[in-house]
Order: sequence, then structure tokens, then C-alpha cells
Amino acid sequence: SAVISQKPSRDICQRGTSLTIQCQVDSQVTMMFWYRQQPGQSLTLIATANQGSEATYESGFVIDKFPISRPNLTFSTLTVSNMSPEDSSIYLCSVQQGGQPQHFGDGTRLSIL
Amino acid sequence: GENVEQHPSTLSVQEGDSAVIKCTYSDSASNYFPWYKQELGKGPQLIIDIRSNVGEKKDQRIAVTLNKTAKHFSLHITETQPEDSAVYFCAASRWTGNQFYFGTGTSLTVIP
Repeated sequence: SAVISQKPSRDICQRGTSLTIQCQVDSQVTMMFWYRQQPGQSLTLIATANQGSEATYESGFVIDKFPISRPNLTFSTLTVSNMSPEDSSIYLCSVQQGGQPQHFGDGTRLSIL
Repeated sequence: GENVEQHPSTLSVQEGDSAVIKCTYSDSASNYFPWYKQELGKGPQLIIDIRSNVGEKKDQRIAVTLNKTAKHFSLHITETQPEDSAVYFCAASRWTGNQFYFGTGTSLTVIP
């Protein structure tokens, strides 16, 4: 399966600031997904990022708050903008290629003060 | 949309005993059901999956069963070991490249 690297692994940020999370894959993949996992909770899909097209956002998530880039088949970024304490979560990227299941990175643990 | 329910939310078993986690789903069009294990500080790791044309799948100590008529599927772990302690998530999807709908997770503790 693909090896997925996320950076940073964790961060503590001040409210009102923005943070960009990177997701790097060691092979080309068609589909990349960004999830949020709030403390002790399940995974909620933020958006699907396919190369060459705009990201598709799920209900409750908007591009102004979570802009996503997908410049090529091995890389994507998620920005969490104008952060508030409610944005404290684990942010996970996952990848999917062909008929294979989704595989996840280890996530970015974000705390907002 | 799909709604996946998972039970129990917490489960404690003695080492060597079996553990069973159950999920139900609502969308009859779902036909792919993966299970993920998440250890502390890590991302979810796929441990087993099943497609709707199969009723049961086994991989060593782990097995998954699917009842499409009743819309439920279960994870079975036999001969549990302390390293099985983690949070387990079930999910349902129409296919592997489509959105996954996750259950709420089960925190499994295996007591040595």
C-alpha cells in the first residue's frame, strides 16, 4: 500500500491564525481525501481532492475555511483558516487508487489556544 | 445519505478471549465494508474488508461477517492479545473510491 506522510505531525496555534497541512504520497494516486477527527470522535470527511479539478466539499465545510490544493498526483495541502478553539482536532489525509481501499496518513494533531 | 451505527462503544476482554464488534448501515446500495484499527497517535489502518458478494472473510485471528438482508456486519477477533487494544472503526461505501461513512468507533481493551 502507499506510504503517506503528513506534515506537521502536531502543532499548537494561536486563534485567528492559519495553518497549512501537507500530505505527500510515495506513488501516484487518483483520489485524496481530507478528514477531521475531533477528540474521541469518528472521522468526518471534509473534502475530496482530485488532481486537475476543484475540491468537492461536504456539507458543513466551506472552501474559505478549508482551502485545498492538489497540484499533482502525489501531493495535497489543506489549510485551516482563521482558527478558533473549535478547530482543535486531528486532520487526516487518505488516498485511494484503482479498486484499492483508502489508506490513511498518521494525521496532524492541531490544538488552538 | 448513509448512516452507520457501531456497538459497543467500549469493550474490555481478557487476553485469549474473543471480541465482537457490530455495525449496521442504512443504504442498501452500500457494497463495500472496511474495518480500520487506530492506535494512539496513529492514523486508521485497514485490517480487513468485505464486499457485498461475500458473506464472510477471514484473515488469521480476524474475521468479518456480512448480512446484506439485515444490513449489518461484524468484526470478530479471536485469541485476543494486548496489542489488539485500540479503537476500531467500521465503514460503509458504495465502492472503494466513493465516500466512506464511518461508525462511531469501539475502544477495545485486552486485559493481560
